[in-house]
Amino acid sequence: GAVVSQHPSRVICKSGTSVKIECRSLDFQATTMFWYRQFPKQSLMLMATSNEGSKATYEQGVEKDKFLINHASLTLSTLTVTSAHPEDSSFYICSAAPGVWSDEQFFGPGTRLTVL
Amino acid sequence: SQQGEEDPQALSIQEGENATMNCSYKTSINNLQWYRQNSGRGLVHLILIRSNEREKHSGRLRVTLDTSKKSSSLLITASRAADTASYFCATDAGSAGTALIFGKGTTLSVSS
Repeated sequence: GAVVSQHPSRVICKSGTSVKIECRSLDFQATTMFWYRQFPKQSLMLMATSNEGSKATYEQGVEKDKFLINHASLTLSTLTVTSAHPEDSSFYICSAAPGVWSDEQFFGPGTRLTVL
Repeated sequence: SQQGEEDPQALSIQEGENATMNCSYKTSINNLQWYRQNSGRGLVHLILIRSNEREKHSGRLRVTLDTSKKSSSLLITASRAADTASYFCATDAGSAGTALIFGKGTTLSVSS
């Protein structure tokens, strides 16, 4: 199956700093990627839809200025958590869809963010 | 917002027993998928069932879909300790290539 990678897998940062998380589709092109967040013992919540070459679409309650998304190529989307705070500590997971014709999405392994 | 609701929230069984998890959703779907997640790890795709399908099998997994009731069930037969994980159903927004909406999940514990 198709492979999606995320980097880093874990990151610990100080409060107030920014953290960038990369999501790459390794063997297919993805015009659309999705970013999810998962708090401990909870389900995945969609944060935003990342569209190659255009602005991301954010879900209600997700601050676009805090969670910057850049989808500069068909294989890479980045999520930058700006001015991170302890409440941003979470598991961030991306997924990619090969195209609107594809039923299946492929998930990255996730990034564990801990903000001290 | 979350669309799928799973029950039970937690399930504890003995090895060899069957485990059944249910999922309900609210709007029309193109397909429904089930995922497994081990603690602190990424998602593992288990099975996808399309809206025009009623039942699907994959190894020890059996998934049913009832679009009239907007519900699905995942049956794991002859469970093993390695099946211990959280299980989530996820639905699309009615068309392929759209974001998935996840249910709250069922935490399955299989003891040996």
